[in-house]
Amino acid sequence: KAGVTQTPRYLIKTRGQQVTLSCSPISGHRSVSWYQQTPGQGLQFLFEYFSETQRNKGNFPGRFSGRQFSNSRSEMNVSTLELGDSALYLCASSVDRWNSYEQYFGPGTRLTVT
Amino acid sequence: QKEVEQNSGPLSVPEGAIASLNCTYSDRGSQSFFWYRQYSGKSPELIMSIYSNGDKEDGRFTAQLNKASQYVSLLIRDSQPSDSATYLCAVDASGGSYIPTFGRGTSLIVHP
Repeated sequence: KAGVTQTPRYLIKTRGQQVTLSCSPISGHRSVSWYQQTPGQGLQFLFEYFSETQRNKGNFPGRFSGRQFSNSRSEMNVSTLELGDSALYLCASSVDRWNSYEQYFGPGTRLTVT
Repeated sequence: QKEVEQNSGPLSVPEGAIASLNCTYSDRGSQSFFWYRQYSGKSPELIMSIYSNGDKEDGRFTAQLNKASQYVSLLIRDSQPSDSATYLCAVDASGGSYIPTFGRGTSLIVHP
């Protein structure tokens, strides 16, 4: 079974721009979560989508948004990029609510904001 | 604020030894506990999950859970240099949010 895929793998953007990251979960997984990982803050939860609905949201500003499509694929968008948004963005999928904590991570998108 | 605490390390052990990684958590209502391994520059990989008090073994890995003391540990037997990585502990949140909180991770170095 194919794993979680994320595109693009690397991005370089300038301050003020916006960016869209994509995630395709493992087939059959309906929950998709997004995380930001930085050396200083570790792994921080952004939001989680289940059946096209945002079910949980972390403590990030409104510049960070996401959505999920009917095929469970998900995108996250960051508008008005700041230098501090440079990070590894990870997507994780899980089967359903009961097993929602057994999350499987994609390879991540490395975002650099200059 | 629910917290998951791990010693950042590095924990250095010789090849063939047992590596012991510990994690404490603050949410007494947590029910699900996970260990992830993350190699430098890679994404986290789920290696163990544990839901009940006691030990759970999977190959060279043993997860131990003590809910009364609010700690979970991971033992790696016969440690190999390929086990050198950061190990992240993740604990679910009680109250229905279903979103795990991750610790900052413990860096493990297995030297030949």
